[in-house]
Amino acid sequence: KNEVEQSPQNLTAQEGEFITINCSYSVGISALHWLQQHPGGGIVSLFMLSSGKKKHGRLIATINIQEKHSSLHITASHPRDSAVYICAVKPSGRGTSYGKLTFGQGTILTVHP
Amino acid sequence: DGGITQSPKYLFRKEGQNVTLSCEQNLNHDAMYWYRQDPGQGLRLIYYSQIVNDFQKGDIAEGYSVSREKKESFPLTVTSAQKNPTAFYLCASSMQGNQPQHFGDGTRLSIL
Repeated sequence: KNEVEQSPQNLTAQEGEFITINCSYSVGISALHWLQQHPGGGIVSLFMLSSGKKKHGRLIATINIQEKHSSLHITASHPRDSAVYICAVKPSGRGTSYGKLTFGQGTILTVHP
Repeated sequence: DGGITQSPKYLFRKEGQNVTLSCEQNLNHDAMYWYRQDPGQGLRLIYYSQIVNDFQKGDIAEGYSVSREKKESFPLTVTSAQKNPTAFYLCASSMQGNQPQHFGDGTRLSIL
């Protein structure tokens, strides 16, 4: 079993819909990241969380440390949100490994006009 | 503007050849990383470097080599010992600890 599991693997939505992508992990962590990978392959960091909730524009990320679960929400989705969304965790207790992350397999989001 | 530059974007290799992928950053980041991405799988760490002249193996280092002679540069060599090199390779960098990683646009390597 992977240390980081995302669901769903594929998600199709109509423009304007509210979208939720889930991430569950099985190890203790010091931080969780949400990343966006565009069709060309480049990756952008969206959020880094260690507790609570963060919001940026139409994107909201939440984390529940006790339940080892995080969600990424997109409000009023738009076709330009179509991308692969990746959850990654920084496991705790692994010495001085700078930024060493464990990644989920990604969620492919397609938003139709 | 600061960022990470990977080159080339597409690379083709003949069987038995070594090939080197370039990664340069002007963000003044201490740490740099190389990842491999295969379809349907999460990114996997090949090598990482926390400081100049030092680097550590990641989860899938066999068949790869790196160097970190300058803070700005972290080239990855895919050697002939890597039996399945066709993949998408991403380079990243970060400041210390839990800081977000900045990624390059990737290099897609294919075997002729």
